[in-house]
Amino acid sequence: GQNIDQPTEMTATEGAIVQINCTYQTSGFNGLFWYQQHAGEAPTFLSYNVLDGLEEKGRFSSFLSRSKGYSYLLLKELQMKDSASYLCAVRSGGYQKVTFGTGTKLQVIP
Amino acid sequence: DGGITQSPKYLFRKEGQNVTLSCEQNLNHDAMYWYRQDPGQGLRLIYYSQIVNDFQKGDIAEGYSVSREKKESFPLTVTSAQKNPTAFYLCASRMDRGQDGYTFGSGTRLTVV
Repeated sequence: GQNIDQPTEMTATEGAIVQINCTYQTSGFNGLFWYQQHAGEAPTFLSYNVLDGLEEKGRFSSFLSRSKGYSYLLLKELQMKDSASYLCAVRSGGYQKVTFGTGTKLQVIP
Repeated sequence: DGGITQSPKYLFRKEGQNVTLSCEQNLNHDAMYWYRQDPGQGLRLIYYSQIVNDFQKGDIAEGYSVSREKKESFPLTVTSAQKNPTAFYLCASRMDRGQDGYTFGSGTRLTVV
């Protein structure tokens, strides 16, 4: 089976930087996704990592270490609209199954 | 604009009734998925389909059924056998190759009354 762990909640200040961690245990790893989900809405795709290292996309960056089963999402220059849940999801297996973590609820405060 | 449409947005069901949730996409995506989301839990996979006229059970398929008669459509039926159907249901699609993430619909919130 698979196990994905993320912190349940985090709080950060507008304009600051926040790092959301995700650890996973899986066999047949084939990529890790980060999604953003505002309350009552559908998740939206943020990033994808399959090789070790940092992927940067504007204010958002995502890092992966396959040997450690670890990823993080880095949000810079936080804005109030970044208040949302951030879902870590791992793809594995021959049929491209994606398993989601429970999500980290980020609150950005003034 | 291409996208994925779920309907209805809110649905109320009486106990013992079957209900069908609609999911339509015009993205020409091969694969389609149904997830269920409950408070404090991650998205859990109900069913998925990688090609027309073929689908596989996910982790929590009991009490649900699907069909994939057209590439664009992947309806989910919540049957009376599903003991705890109240949840937020999300449909998603993706190309069945490459590294793209899912595109999600806006979700259907089902409540049993």
